[in-house]
Amino acid sequence: EVQLVQSGAEVKKPGESLKISCKGSGYSFTNYWIGWVRQMPGKGLEWMGIIYPGDSDTRYSPSFQGQVTISADKSIITAYLQWSSLKASDTAIYYCARLLWQTTILQGIDYWGQGTLVTV
Amino acid sequence: QSVLTQPPSVSAAPGQKVTISCSGSSSNIGINYVSWYQQLPGTAPKLLIYDNHKRPSGIPDRFSGSKSDTSATLGITGLQTGDEADYYCGTWDNSLSAVVFGGGTKLTVL
Repeated sequence: EVQLVQSGAEVKKPGESLKISCKGSGYSFTNYWIGWVRQMPGKGLEWMGIIYPGDSDTRYSPSFQGQVTISADKSIITAYLQWSSLKASDTAIYYCARLLWQTTILQGIDYWGQGTLVTV
Repeated sequence: QSVLTQPPSVSAAPGQKVTISCSGSSSNIGINYVSWYQQLPGTAPKLLIYDNHKRPSGIPDRFSGSKSDTSATLGITGLQTGDEADYYCGTWDNSLSAVVFGGGTKLTVL
């Protein structure tokens, strides 16, 4: 069974750093892109960026470039999303998700983590 | 402002049918697959439709998807109270090199 299990809720102060995680299991972690999605309170889904754990190729949404860092450690089948200096506006639920591709065409996002609530 | 445009809300009675539209452009829906997601209150999004019209295993055939030019539609028949949720369309945008979502549509089953 494919699972993406995220780290628990965090409460931080403005200016603090944070790294949240997403552990994949039940599939070949290095062969699928993992993405991060933000959902601010009462709002819709916002795409942040993606990473290919096989070679750590990373792409950011223009809105989030420079604001966060996406990484992965394939040895422990875990992807990460981190901030160096949090702001109150970073308060949101963050989801990791697995992307399904047909060569270069995105088919959909087939598995999602349970979400990590970050409160700043 | 979302790249893809969805109606904020739709409603229908139990047992009825509803459709949710998703409008994009030639750089996204026009040249890529559309997928649809259901987000029940307090839960993570769930894939309902991929490749414009395909259903993952376990998704009932009450849910259907279609695409035409730069727009897509999600259809839900035989509405149940358990279908009350937010629904999002998504696709890849070649100009932005990013996944883009619609703003979401809240479905109310009256």
